[in-house]
Amino acid sequence: DGGITQSPKYLFRKEGQNVTLSCEQNLNHDAMYWYRQDPGQGLRLIYYSQIVNDFQKGDIAEGYSVSREKKESFPLTVTSAQKNPTAFYLCASSMNGGTEQFFGPGTRLTVL
Amino acid sequence: AQSVSQHNHHVILSEAASLELGCNYSYGGTVNLFWYVQYPGQHLQLLLKYFSGDPLVKGIKGFEAEFIKSKFSFNLRKPSVQWSDTAEYFCAVTDSWGKFQFGAGTQVVVTP
Repeated sequence: DGGITQSPKYLFRKEGQNVTLSCEQNLNHDAMYWYRQDPGQGLRLIYYSQIVNDFQKGDIAEGYSVSREKKESFPLTVTSAQKNPTAFYLCASSMNGGTEQFFGPGTRLTVL
Repeated sequence: AQSVSQHNHHVILSEAASLELGCNYSYGGTVNLFWYVQYPGQHLQLLLKYFSGDPLVKGIKGFEAEFIKSKFSFNLRKPSVQWSDTAEYFCAVTDSWGKFQFGAGTQVVVTP
């Protein structure tokens, strides 16, 4: 089954803790993306990567970090510096930058 | 910086009514344009896309969109909606660098 997997589906963390969200794709796509979805604000780009070992900040990168050590994996760490981390996080991939994106099922993070 | 504006946040209409959702973007260069849909509890999925050529593009489930370059618009249409079209719809733009920008989304509710 080709696609994008995100785990876990629901995640709870205490305030002040870092947490890493997983995103894996087996579509052989070069580009991967992380978005945050909040009601009424659409999808806001956190980070994106067009190639292994390279990534760029999106519009709301503060308080987040990423790595792209393998083509199929693009984990997102929500650090304690992120002021409002409770949100729905979506990972996506595309063949290359500018082409259509395929989305994962998302992870809902709740920070208590 | 590019931006995407969706005109309506919420639309309620009856089955068989026609639907038109507005999308305007601000970007001076060449762009690729997309409409995505998120049905309740499901992944974001692509409805249609425009890269070049015929400005009237047809997508899945009877949707179409028209690119009007002079108006920086990419409006989505469906002549006759069904209850199953209840979903959130997102317009998106990407430039040649691969950075995507999504609109805030329009929640469409179709009543029987």
